[in-house]
Amino acid sequence: ILNVEQSPQSLHVQEGDSTNFTCSFPSSNFYALHWYRWETAKSPEALFVMTLNGDEKKKGRISATLNTKEGYSYLYIKGSQPEDSATYLCAFPPDSNYQLIWGAGTKLIIKP
Amino acid sequence: EPEVTQTPSHQVTQMGQEVILRCVPISNHLYFYWYRQILGQKVEFLVSFYNNEISEKSEIFDDQFSVERPDGSNFTLKIRSTKLEDSAMYFCASSENGGTQQFFGPGTRLTVL
Repeated sequence: ILNVEQSPQSLHVQEGDSTNFTCSFPSSNFYALHWYRWETAKSPEALFVMTLNGDEKKKGRISATLNTKEGYSYLYIKGSQPEDSATYLCAFPPDSNYQLIWGAGTKLIIKP
Repeated sequence: EPEVTQTPSHQVTQMGQEVILRCVPISNHLYFYWYRQILGQKVEFLVSFYNNEISEKSEIFDDQFSVERPDGSNFTLKIRSTKLEDSAMYFCASSENGGTQQFFGPGTRLTVL
């Protein structure tokens, strides 16, 4: 059974600090890795779709790296702000079809 | 900015009843999806739809489930005879192409009593 693991499950970070968390996925037959940001009472918001080993993507203070050979991706947030509080989900298509297998998410809470 | 919309936001139904959850994907998108999240669990894929037919479905998507694109804008998920375990948040998503980022609707919370 294919599984996507995220760690930690939750994270409390002081405002202004930088943080990062991990998504692990099966490294065989890699197609893509998606990162989503999900705020309470809103719909998941796509952050990145990563496809190439060694890829690094950036959106404002958020960036992500990808290692397809060892099957992990890191999401980094620089200078955390209260509005960064959300659950960050990664998702992985296990084949060339387009369903996504989801991790359980990392719940990030920024303390003012 | 275009967005995916879903109605209703919350649906309460009795076990055994049929429900239809509605979604309006982004207009130029070609791929449509339904996911669900049972409280406290991971988001689960249900079905993907392209070119007016199901392209992939999960084990969850059994004969009780069906999807339809009745017109050029709506994409519906029907559950024929709801069970208690169908209680979940149901999300619709669409993407421009297969494999590109998926845009999600706000979800419909289905409560089966």
